[in-house]
Amino acid sequence: GNSVTQMEGPVTLSEEAFLTINCTYTATGYPSLFWYVQYPGEGLQLLLKATKADDKGSNKGFEATYRKETTSFHLEKGSVQVSDSAVYFCALSSGGYNKLIFGAGTRLAVHP
Amino acid sequence: NAGVTQTPKFQVLKTGQSMTLQCAQDMNHNSMYWYRQDPGMGLRLIYYSASEGTTDKGEVPNGYNVSRLNKREFSLRLESAAPSQTSVYFCASRVGGPNTEAFFGQGTRLTVV
Repeated sequence: GNSVTQMEGPVTLSEEAFLTINCTYTATGYPSLFWYVQYPGEGLQLLLKATKADDKGSNKGFEATYRKETTSFHLEKGSVQVSDSAVYFCALSSGGYNKLIFGAGTRLAVHP
Repeated sequence: NAGVTQTPKFQVLKTGQSMTLQCAQDMNHNSMYWYRQDPGMGLRLIYYSASEGTTDKGEVPNGYNVSRLNKREFSLRLESAAPSQTSVYFCASRVGGPNTEAFFGQGTRLTVV
């Protein structure tokens, strides 16, 4: 079945450091890929998405490229801020059944 | 705009009690989902409804039932609560189609003692 694997956290960075959170997936067909973010005490909200191979999703300085050859969708940001501290979830969706499957989440803590 | 509304926000149950978690969306979305979030486990799909009138099992459906009451509402029922069902439950909805954005409620924190 479909699944998503994320790097384990927590990830702790200093402000202005470079961020990478790894995400790989297993899926039949051609899934759509997403990154969601969860701030403390809140539900998830969409950060970015890509719907076909080689697409790059971007938002708020975050980027991720859909790599079909490596089945990956790694999240990157060139310079993180304290306000980026949150839990980040990689997710995929495919097929006619319209399932939306999430990874385990990666907690990011950014210190001044 | 209310978006996705879940009730209640917090609940404590005794083992063996039953309860229903309510979810309603006002965005005219076709698909709705119930997830549970546990430390280290991420979000796991319990049940989903691809469209009004249909429901399907997700990854962890045991111990739960759902009802898609109408296009707006999707409820999750625990018939006989167990401590293993202590979790944060999230409802989500989206228009439909694999590349559309899902919108989440604020969550229900359930403790079973």
